[in-house]
Amino acid sequence: DAKTTQPNSMESNEEEPVHLPCNHSTISGTDYIHWYRQLPSQGPEYVIHGLTSNVNNRMASLAIAEDRKSSTLILHRATLRDAAVYYCILRDVNSGGSNYKLTFGKGTLLTVNP
Amino acid sequence: NAGVTQTPKFQVLKTGQSMTLQCAQDMNHEYMSWYRQDPGMGLRLIHYSVGAGITDQGEVPNGYNVSRSTTEDFPLRLLSAAPSQTSVYFCASSYSAGRSYEQYFGPGTRLTVT
Repeated sequence: DAKTTQPNSMESNEEEPVHLPCNHSTISGTDYIHWYRQLPSQGPEYVIHGLTSNVNNRMASLAIAEDRKSSTLILHRATLRDAAVYYCILRDVNSGGSNYKLTFGKGTLLTVNP
Repeated sequence: NAGVTQTPKFQVLKTGQSMTLQCAQDMNHEYMSWYRQDPGMGLRLIHYSVGAGITDQGEVPNGYNVSRSTTEDFPLRLLSAAPSQTSVYFCASSYSAGRSYEQYFGPGTRLTVT
């Protein structure tokens, strides 16, 4: 599996934008970039995913570099509820079986200050 | 929809005991999987299934068995519990094949083996 690199932790203030970076220099052409987050004492929760173009949904935006070697998850206005561990994960969806799995690293612990 | 449900929420076992962690989903998802999460770590895949009657091993399968007799249910059996199996267990499900579908996670089962 192609690997991702994320900062261990980041801090933000409530109602300010947050940019969570992820490096994936060995990404292949068929790897989708997924973001999940895990709130304290809960299971992971899907946030957003993309392949080449920037993506927006109700939770966040995903900005993908032109060479696809990095991406940034953008939370437009952080709230206290956004405090979580954020995982950046690559998935090759052209293969079946074990490639449905999500390979979790340690992620980025986001702290949101009131 | 209830989504992905897991029972029990908490369990304490003695070394050598066996038990089954239950997982069910009502979204008609083909793919289901089990992960474990140890303190301060990301999730690791134990077993997965791409459909009823089909299961396969993940990254850390030793000491666990699974079966998939229906689309809805995917129980995880601990054959002879060991302290090293103390962890939080998450079940996940998704649609499969041909697209990068998001996975839905259950709330987790916190298992302690003494």
